[in-house]
Amino acid sequence: DARVTQTPRHKVTEMGQEVTMRCQPILGHNTVFWYRQTMMQGLELLAYFRNRAPLDDSGMPKDRFSAEMPDATLATLKIQPSEPRDSAVYFCASGEVGTAYNEQFFGPGTRLTVL
Amino acid sequence: KQEVTQIPAALSVPEGENLVLNCSFTDSAIYNLQWFRQDPGKGLTSLLLIQSSQREQTSGRLNASLDKSSGRSTLYIAASQPGDSATYLCATNQAGTALIFGKGTTLSVSS
Repeated sequence: DARVTQTPRHKVTEMGQEVTMRCQPILGHNTVFWYRQTMMQGLELLAYFRNRAPLDDSGMPKDRFSAEMPDATLATLKIQPSEPRDSAVYFCASGEVGTAYNEQFFGPGTRLTVL
Repeated sequence: KQEVTQIPAALSVPEGENLVLNCSFTDSAIYNLQWFRQDPGKGLTSLLLIQSSQREQTSGRLNASLDKSSGRSTLYIAASQPGDSATYLCATNQAGTALIFGKGTTLSVSS
């Protein structure tokens, strides 16, 4: 049963600390997305990659956030330094662009709390 | 810039009722429209995906329709059950791009 996995599922940290979230996309999918969900803003795109190359990171605060795909099986989202306003659920999704449906499949999310 | 709106924000119905959730979008140049379900504290489960060339998709008690020209989609849930209680999100995208989400409709079905 292929699915997107994310670690950690929960993270509590103090302001100023570095946070790294990891995502394993579904094998064979060529596009990986990072979204953030908050009560106020809902679900919003942070960044996405195709064939490991960044295509759009316009939703990401560049001074503190960075996203990478070191290989096809791992995507990372890093926040340094973290701030209380970064508290949210971060979702990774993957899809196979170029197929008929372009459907996106979501991971369970990482719930981040910054104190 | 695409904007997706879902009305109502919350809906309460008794078990057994048929119901319709609404989604509207401002830019009709979409590739897909996807409906998701989200349970409290959980991730997103894809329910139905409608391509821009399609008018509707069905899965069990769920039926989603798409009218691109008017910028609207509806999710019809037949014979609602308490287990249907969740937040329902709709989202659109262009080919290969990120999804743009509505804020969701939170459904409560009472027994």
